[in-house]
Amino acid sequence: GQNIDQPTEMTATEGAIVQINCTYQTSGFNGLFWYQQHAGEAPTFLSYNVLDGLEEKGRFSSFLSRSKGYSYLLLKELQMKDSASYLCAVTDSNYQLIWGAGTKLIIKP
Amino acid sequence: IAGITQAPTSQILAAGRRMTLRCTQDMRHNAMYWYRQDLGLGLRLIHYSNTAGTTGKGEVPDGYSVSRANTDDFPLTLASAVPSQTSVYFCASSDGTSNEQFFGPGTRLTVL
Repeated sequence: GQNIDQPTEMTATEGAIVQINCTYQTSGFNGLFWYQQHAGEAPTFLSYNVLDGLEEKGRFSSFLSRSKGYSYLLLKELQMKDSASYLCAVTDSNYQLIWGAGTKLIIKP
Repeated sequence: IAGITQAPTSQILAAGRRMTLRCTQDMRHNAMYWYRQDLGLGLRLIHYSNTAGTTGKGEVPDGYSVSRANTDDFPLTLASAVPSQTSVYFCASSDGTSNEQFFGPGTRLTVL
């Protein structure tokens, strides 16, 4: 079967750095997405990785290792507004998105 | 403003009633999707449409039907609602090239 694993919840301190991991087992691979979802709102796109390596976009970076079925999202200089759920999703061989359950990130002052 | 709209925002429905959730996008995206999101389970695909006139079943299609008469609209129908269909429903679209999906604001449905 297809499976994406993320930690359920993480806590970090304002101004610090946090890394959210995602491991996946899917039938084929055509890219990995990270989305941010604030409580009561729709998911919004953060990043996309299709090749191995690190993609940096401001305070957010995403890393992919296809051989290990592994990705992480790195958030730097955490702000209170970063409190949200972070969803990892993989595009499989049929170009369907398979979603993880999401990681709820709690930022403390 | 370009994007996706969903209606209604929320709805309380008696079990056994028929309900249609509406979704409209103005980005001319070919692909559209319906998801349900339940606590601890993440997003689960109900139905999808790769282009106007075609639809396909996702992970949890039972009890739901869709139609795609044109590019912009993708309604989701619950023929006879049951309490297990209580959830938040998200409609999404993509242009089919990057596979990035854009989401509507969601419909919170409660079936009693």
